[in-house]
Amino acid sequence: GQQLNQSPQSMFIQEGEDVSMNCTSSSIFNTWLWYKQDPGEGPVLLIALYKAGELTSNGRLTAQFGITRKDSFLNISASIPSDVGIYFCAGRAGSGGGADGLTFGKGTHLIIQP
Amino acid sequence: GAVVSQHPSRVICKSGTSVKIECRSLDFQATTMFWYRQFPKQSLMLMATSNEGSKATYEQGVEKDKFLINHASLTLSTLTVTSAHPEDSSFYICSARYSLQETQYFGPGTRLLVL
Repeated sequence: GQQLNQSPQSMFIQEGEDVSMNCTSSSIFNTWLWYKQDPGEGPVLLIALYKAGELTSNGRLTAQFGITRKDSFLNISASIPSDVGIYFCAGRAGSGGGADGLTFGKGTHLIIQP
Repeated sequence: GAVVSQHPSRVICKSGTSVKIECRSLDFQATTMFWYRQFPKQSLMLMATSNEGSKATYEQGVEKDKFLINHASLTLSTLTVTSAHPEDSSFYICSARYSLQETQYFGPGTRLLVL
């Protein structure tokens, strides 16, 4: 089956630093999504990307859909304490109108040191 | 908008009993709902895809007779874990999708503990 390689696995940063994480795949995805999950809760959508090359921002978050459709990155600028959590990339291989489920990366655990 | 709820939020049951988990889209109609399972410190793994009014499609390795899925309306899907065993203890999360959009919105999850 499809696999997503997400890195880094964890990040220890200082408040105010910028963060970058990425996902790569051996196969093409038509949709890339980035989610944040807090402990004991469901994932919350941060950014959705639907076109190769697309660059989308949501406040301090920026994500891009790689031109090869096999990768995506998420950047967080000027991190704050509430950014702590686990970030997941997710990809969907199906074409528009399909009902495919998502393939998730293994997550990046973001820890912010005071 | 795009709120998905799950009930119950956590459940403890005895081995051999069955547990039903509900997933509801509160402010939109979801023709497709998905069920995921997440073990501690791991990622979400898709279990099955549920389409309103039709049989669910299960991922490889997921027993359809053990994890019964019903999607009776455009706002409700249920997952029943039958004859639960301790190894079924996990975090079960549903998601729902607008009929013509790609994005999935997730529920808050249900923590199942089988004793």
